[in-house]
Amino acid sequence: EPEVTQTPSHQVTQMGQEVILRCVPISNHLYFYWYRQILGQKVEFLVSFYNNEISEKSEIFDDQFSVERPDGSNFTLKIRSTKLEDSAMYFCASSRRQGRGSGANVLTFGAGSRLTVL
Amino acid sequence: ELKVEQNPLFLSMQEGKNYTIYCNYSTTSDRLYWYRQDPGKSLESLFVLLSNGAVKQEGRLMASLDTKARLSTLHITAAVHDLSATYFCAVDMNAGTASKLTFGTGTRLQVTL
Repeated sequence: EPEVTQTPSHQVTQMGQEVILRCVPISNHLYFYWYRQILGQKVEFLVSFYNNEISEKSEIFDDQFSVERPDGSNFTLKIRSTKLEDSAMYFCASSRRQGRGSGANVLTFGAGSRLTVL
Repeated sequence: ELKVEQNPLFLSMQEGKNYTIYCNYSTTSDRLYWYRQDPGKSLESLFVLLSNGAVKQEGRLMASLDTKARLSTLHITAAVHDLSATYFCAVDMNAGTASKLTFGTGTRLQVTL
C-alpha cells in the first residue's frame, strides 16, 4: 500500500538552529499538509499546499516556518530559528482530491518526525 | 472558530464490553473523519462520514454522523485488547479547496483483560 515517508524520524537541535523536515508524499496525490502534535495533546493543522503554493496556513505557521516542494517528490518543512515550544511530533500528510465535491478526501499521514529543541 | 470536543478523554474498559465515544463539533460540517493512533505512531484512517445519517462499520467499530446535532459517535462492540489506542475525530470545514482538519482532543482507550 502506498505510504507517506518522513525523515528524520527524530531530530534533536539547539534553540535558534534551523531545522528541515522532509516528506515524500504518495506519488499521485496533489495536496500536501503539515500537522503537528505536542506530546500528549491533540493534532494541529499547520499548512496545506497545492499547485506549488500554500493554500492555507494556521496562526502557528508564522514567519519562522516555510514549506517547499523542491522537486517532483519531496515536500519540506523548514523552521528557521527553533524555539523550545517547537518541540513536537510533525506529521506530513497527502491527499488526492479536493476538500469537497468528488467524494472523500482522506488524508494519509506519515509516521512523523519528532523534533526536540534543547 | 471551530471547536471539536470528544468525551470521554480516557476510557478503561474490560474485554467483551461495549462503549461509545462521542465527538461534538461547534459549526456545521458534513465531513467527519475518525483516526486511530497507537503510542508513538502515526494516524491511521478508520472512517470517513460524508453525510447526515452516515453509518460505517469495520469489525468491532461502528461510526455514525448526525450533522443536525453536530455529533459523531464511535461505538465499540465486544472490545478486545488490540483496540487499545487513542481515537481522534476530525472535522473538515473547507469547501472546494485543500482539506483543513480540526482534530478533537482524542480519547485514549485502554482495554483490559
